[in-house]
Amino acid sequence: GQQVMQIPQYQHVQEGEDFTTYCNSSTTLSNIQWYKQRPGGHPVFLIQLVKSGEVKKQKRLTFQFGEAKKNSSLHITATQTTDVGTYFCADPGGAQKLVFGQGTRLTINP
Amino acid sequence: DTGVSQNPRHKITKRGQNVTFRCDPISEHNRLYWYRQTLGQGPEFLTYFQNEAQLEKSRLLSDRFSAERPKGSFSTLEIQRTEQGDSAMYLCASSSQSNQPQHFGDGTRLSIL
Repeated sequence: GQQVMQIPQYQHVQEGEDFTTYCNSSTTLSNIQWYKQRPGGHPVFLIQLVKSGEVKKQKRLTFQFGEAKKNSSLHITATQTTDVGTYFCADPGGAQKLVFGQGTRLTINP
Repeated sequence: DTGVSQNPRHKITKRGQNVTFRCDPISEHNRLYWYRQTLGQGPEFLTYFQNEAQLEKSRLLSDRFSAERPKGSFSTLEIQRTEQGDSAMYLCASSSQSNQPQHFGDGTRLSIL
């Protein structure tokens, strides 16, 4: 069945350092979505990538979709304390149900 | 856009009792999803509706679980004869159509004593 693997599971950085989380799928993805969940909160949609090799930026966040559409990454430049949370990639799949990765929990030392 | 609303926010019950949760999606969204999330894991899909039709159910959804969306607006998720393993956060999400982002509610946290 569908599987989305995400690494690392945890990442602790000093404020101002960069952060990257990686997502790999066992199957070719039609598209991939990224969500952020703050501690005690619910997942909030960040972005959707559709095209092979696509790169999208949102301020300090850069999202990439692999050429083979089997992997994706999220890179945050110069982290801030507001970036704390768990970042999930998710495969919408054929029926639009989301298959989530395990998430990468980001903590930041101010 | 008032967002997705779920209630109750918290439910504590004894093992063996029945519980029911409610989800009110964003009003113009015809797709509604239920997920379950345990600590340290990503949300896991349970079931989804397009309007009032329940189109898919996960194998995670045992016979003790039932979901309805009678008029294609709000939805309820009922768990009968609750077990310890049912303790989790139950999240509801809605979207306007396929390939669109899903908007999540704050969830209902279920604790089984």
